[in-house]
Amino acid sequence: DAKTTQPPSMDCAEGRAANLPCNHSTISGNEYVYWYRQIHSQGPQYIIHGLKNNETNEMASLIITEDRKSSTLILPHATLRDTAVYYCIVRVSGSNYKLTFGKGTLLTVNP
Amino acid sequence: DGGITQSPKYLFRKEGQNVTLSCEQNLNHDAMYWYRQDPGQGLRLIYYSHIVNDFQKGDIAEGYSVSREKKESFPLTVTSAQKNPTAFYLCASSIGDNQPQHFGDGTRLSIL
Repeated sequence: DAKTTQPPSMDCAEGRAANLPCNHSTISGNEYVYWYRQIHSQGPQYIIHGLKNNETNEMASLIITEDRKSSTLILPHATLRDTAVYYCIVRVSGSNYKLTFGKGTLLTVNP
Repeated sequence: DGGITQSPKYLFRKEGQNVTLSCEQNLNHDAMYWYRQDPGQGLRLIYYSHIVNDFQKGDIAEGYSVSREKKESFPLTVTSAQKNPTAFYLCASSIGDNQPQHFGDGTRLSIL
């Protein structure tokens, strides 16, 4: 699975959009981009995933660059409850179902 | 509500004892997984199961054992052979490949 690079921490003001970047320059054509988040002492929560096209659901939007070497997770209106560690994961189809979590980005939403 | 239930939330083990962590899901998912998380670290895969009565070792299976006798249940036993068992254990399930994994709230295991 491709390696990902995320900033260790970011801050965001409550009510503003949070834009979390992820670099995956070695991604291959059959690898999906997944985003999860983990609030302290809880299990990770699935947010969104995509292959090539931008995706949106009730939680967030995922923007993948045309060359697929990077992506951005957008939380449109961040709240205090969005404070968590956000993980960007790329995973190839058939890789024994494993998710490889790095250290992620600690997003702190400030009042 | 559908989801994954892990119990207990906190567990203490004496040296030399085996201990079993429970994981139950009512999502009708075929695949289930066990991960371990150490402080400040990402998750590491212990075991996974694609279907009932079948399971595979993950990256750090030594000192652990599992069973998958029912679709909804995937218990993990931490044996005395696991020399550093203190960690946060997470169970997950998914419909199948390339589908999101859904996690329980974890069991925190400590050694007395």
